[in-house]
Amino acid sequence: EVQLLESGGGLVQPGGSLRLSCAASGFAFSSSAMSWVRQAPGTGLEWVSAISRDSATTYYADSVKGRFTISRDNSKNTLYLQMNSLRVDDTALYYCAEVIGGTGYWGQGTLVTVSS
Amino acid sequence: DFQMTQSPSSLSASIGDRVTITCRASQGISNDLAWYQQKPGKVPKLLIYAASTLQSGVPSRFSGTRSGTDFTLTISSLQPEDVATYYCLKYNGAPKAFGQGTKVEIK
Repeated sequence: EVQLLESGGGLVQPGGSLRLSCAASGFAFSSSAMSWVRQAPGTGLEWVSAISRDSATTYYADSVKGRFTISRDNSKNTLYLQMNSLRVDDTALYYCAEVIGGTGYWGQGTLVTVSS
Repeated sequence: DFQMTQSPSSLSASIGDRVTITCRASQGISNDLAWYQQKPGKVPKLLIYAASTLQSGVPSRFSGTRSGTDFTLTISSLQPEDVATYYCLKYNGAPKAFGQGTKVEIK
């Protein structure tokens, strides 16, 4: 059974940092490019960041460029998102997902709330 | 900047109606487009990828087509369980981009 299990969300003050993790199992994680997608309350889906299977290439949405860093550890089947300089408008449910290969693999999400 | 423009933002249709949702890419993206269905409080579900390939287990009343930079999701006969918000996603290269979403309701 395929599982993507996100963790690391929580309440943080503006300007703070969080590190999200996504533990993958049940599929060839090391052969899969991975993405982070977020959804603010009551709004649509927003692609945040992506990383190639070998970590050689990373992509970021303009809204997070310079503040967020995506990485992965294929030996641990884990995807990460380091989020710095967090803003109120980064408040959202953050999903890790495989969106290129037509697998439809998504986690359940982890909630990040940025508030003073 | 690349943009995916999805329309309409919402629609209301009767059971059995044919429903179409469109996404227009601001530049050519080949067939690198997927359609997702999201029900309230649920994780998005992949319906179609590569513009027209139906994901395993998805009912055949869902279909996708491409004409140039215009992509269409069609529900041939709307069912009560199809009430959801639908999103297109340009998934290859960078940036990846979702459409704004289309909320489908029953009239």
